[in-house]
Amino acid sequence: GAVVSQHPSRVICKSGTSVKIECRSLDFQATTMFWYRQFPKQSLMLMATSNEGSKATYEQGVEKDKFLINHASLTLSTLTVTSAHPEDSSFYICSAKKGNQPQHFGDGTRLSIL
Amino acid sequence: EDKVVQSPLSLVVHEGDTVTLNCSYEVTNFRSLLWYKQEKKAPTFLFMLTSSGIEKKSGRLSSILDKKELSSILNITATQTGDSAIYLCAVENSAGNKLTFGGGTRVLVKP
Repeated sequence: GAVVSQHPSRVICKSGTSVKIECRSLDFQATTMFWYRQFPKQSLMLMATSNEGSKATYEQGVEKDKFLINHASLTLSTLTVTSAHPEDSSFYICSAKKGNQPQHFGDGTRLSIL
Repeated sequence: EDKVVQSPLSLVVHEGDTVTLNCSYEVTNFRSLLWYKQEKKAPTFLFMLTSSGIEKKSGRLSSILDKKELSSILNITATQTGDSAIYLCAVENSAGNKLTFGGGTRVLVKP
């Protein structure tokens, strides 16, 4: 149980493109979903927390207009990187959590902006 | 600011060896400590610890929390090459809505 699916696994696109990443909890309803960013050889940095039907809470330093988060249902959250630039290239990982259970992570999306 | 520190940064062992990974934390409001294993993709859940002194075990892996010392250890016995990965320690806040991760320990198990 506790399977989280993230799609796509890899994106390569031109500078200025907007990219949408989906995160789904497949076998449970997630009360909260989280979006992280991981740079090479570094640990996970929380970007934002989202609850179904409400606005996401962004960590300090994360631009909410740049990284749009939509949490449309208890099983789906999306992250849209708007007008992506090379410095946005990174590994983006989502996680989902139900109640007091641990966070379970998707397989991540490797984003490369040319 | 919450802080999680893992040691060592990396280690290399041979199959059959036992490894002990350390995690220490400084957090304002503690709820739980979690261990994850990260290979090429995203982290997979290993343990969630909330009570001090109670060992959690899963096969060759075990972990224990010491709230007095604000630390935890993860043990892997009879290591196999498949145990090669980055092991991440994270602390959850009391509201249950934030994990603070340590920098990870990179373990390489040689045949």
